Parts: sequence; structure tokens; C-alpha cells
Amino acid sequence: NAGVTQTPKFQVLKTGQSMTLQCAQDMNHEYMSWYRQDPGMGLRLIHYSVGAGITDQGEVPNGYNVSRSTTEDFPLRLLLAAPSQTSVYFCASSLGFSDNSPLHFGNGTRLTVT
Amino acid sequence: AQSVTQPDIHITVSEGASLELRCNYSYGATPYLFWYVQSPGQGLQLLLKYFSGDTLVQGIKGFEAEFKRSQSSFNLRKPSVHWSDAAEYFCAVGAGAAGNKLTFGGGTRVLVKP
Repeated sequence: NAGVTQTPKFQVLKTGQSMTLQCAQDMNHEYMSWYRQDPGMGLRLIHYSVGAGITDQGEVPNGYNVSRSTTEDFPLRLLLAAPSQTSVYFCASSLGFSDNSPLHFGNGTRLTVT
Repeated sequence: AQSVTQPDIHITVSEGASLELRCNYSYGATPYLFWYVQSPGQGLQLLLKYFSGDTLVQGIKGFEAEFKRSQSSFNLRKPSVHWSDAAEYFCAVGAGAAGNKLTFGGGTRVLVKP
């Protein structure tokens, strides 16, 4: 049971480039989300999804797009990377709609934009 | 909107000594509260959660936390720390149908002296 898998682990981009951070879970979780982690600020919610075909914005959505075509996958797209997007990105999932369903986190993607 | 404050950025504790990490939250309804731990280069692991009921919550690795509604606090404690407890600890408050939309505090980094 792999849990939540994020790829790549590390990425360096130049300003203006685009890329997709991949997130996959094999636990049949309905709820998936993306956070970014910056020093001293904890984790902030970027986008989330409560099921296939449904996405919504979190606290810091600007500059990021998401889609949820399957239950398993929830990719995060940066269309025009900016240095302010240098961060560590975490994907998380849970069963949803249950008080016994905490978030399971992936191991993160460290992104540097130069 | 909810918010979480962790007043202590760094705490240094001797191995075998007790540990208490402070967490204060702001939320308009009954909160879902969580403590996560993050080891270097890793994702977040759930230590414990409070949804309702007994205000003293037991978690993994010998940690416990107490929910005090009157003080809007959810402090984390461990009676005797081990060197392996050195990590960063995050308090979070959850919104949404199952508390899955988490708002995190800025984190407290714990250093353990031998």
C-alpha cells in the first residue's frame, strides 16, 4: 500500500516555465488537496477536491491550476512559474465526510524557481 | 476564517524532560483540532486529533493534548522526550464537512539535547 505518492521529489524551474506536480493515492480517498509549506508559515491550502470532477480553491490558489479526472490522481499545474512559487508542496488525501478520516500526506516536492 | 497560532518557534529540551507545545486557535464553531509531526525531508504524520468528547486526547508516540474551549487552546504534551522526538510540530484546525480543510500554525521546531 503506497499511500500518497508525489513526483518529482525535487524540481528546478526558470521563471516563466510550466510544469505539473503529480499526486496519486491508492486508498480510494474522495478528498484530495494541495498545500505549500514556507518557513514560519506552516502549510497553506492551495486547491482541494471532494471527488472526481470537483475542485475548489483554497487559501492561496493564484498561479496554480488543478483538475480531478480520476479518484486516484490530483495533479497541480504551474503555468507560468514565478520565484514566489519556490516552496515545498504537499499533497494530502482522506476518505472525506467522516470524523475518523484524517489527512494522509505525501513526502513532498521541493520546487525552486530561479 | 479560522487561524492557528503557535507562539514558540523553537523549543530546546533535554532528553528525558517533559515537553509542552502551545497552540491557540480561532474558529467560529466547534473545532476539529490536530497535531502533526514532520521529520526532516518527510511529510506530515498525524499525532492525534480532537473531534468531540473527552477533552484529553491520547496520540501516538506517547503524546497527549488537551482541548480547552475557554482558552481556545490545544496544547501538546509528552512526559519524557526521546532524541527521536526532535522534529517540527504543527497544530491545525479543520473546517469543512469532515474537518479536512486544515489551517496550520507556523510550526514549532523541537531540539532535543542529550
